[in-house]
Amino acid sequence: DAGVTQSPTHLIKTRGQQVTLRCSPKSGHDTVSWYQQALGQGPQFIFQYYEEEERQRGNFPDRFSGHQFPNYSSELNVNALLLGDSALYLCASSLGRASEAFFGQGTRLTVV
Amino acid sequence: AQSVTQPDIHITVSEGASLELRCNYSYGATPYLFWYVQSPGQGLQLLLKYFSGDTLVQGIKGFEAEFKRSQSSFNLRKPSVHWSDAAEYFCAVGPPGRGTYKYIFGTGTRLKVLA
Repeated sequence: DAGVTQSPTHLIKTRGQQVTLRCSPKSGHDTVSWYQQALGQGPQFIFQYYEEEERQRGNFPDRFSGHQFPNYSSELNVNALLLGDSALYLCASSLGRASEAFFGQGTRLTVV
Repeated sequence: AQSVTQPDIHITVSEGASLELRCNYSYGATPYLFWYVQSPGQGLQLLLKYFSGDTLVQGIKGFEAEFKRSQSSFNLRKPSVHWSDAAEYFCAVGPPGRGTYKYIFGTGTRLKVLA
């Protein structure tokens, strides 16, 4: 049983560019959450998708957007990249919104 | 404000010694409580969780945690540490009854194990 898979594993972008990160949830899961983990910090909640809609959002600007597809996979898009967006981006999936979350390995984004 | 505090940024223990990692939280009601472990360059693995009931929770890899409502704490313990336990440990809270809505994480405790 494949767990949560994220792609790519590493990415380098230039300031001002746009980036798309992808996440496939654990088999049977229908809810996807995204977190940003800056170096030396704990993960911070970006947003959560359930039934293809954004259900809750953390304190992140509109430059951060997402999407969930009918097969429950999800994308995180970040526009107008800043140096401060450099971080490990973690995807977590769950069955519904009332169960524990399983995390992927993350995508390491470096903005130069 | 909702927050999680892990007061120890770094902890070093000898292999075979006991371990306790501290976690305190500030929340309107008793939240759901979690401990995750992260190895370098890896994602988060759930060690254990507390939703309700018995305040002493058993997890994977020989870890346990105790919920103390009066102290707003959820400390992680292991009686005998193995070298493979070296990693970063995160305590997290989530809204009770709503599962995976917006977890709030602490800043983590990095564990070093001496041979």
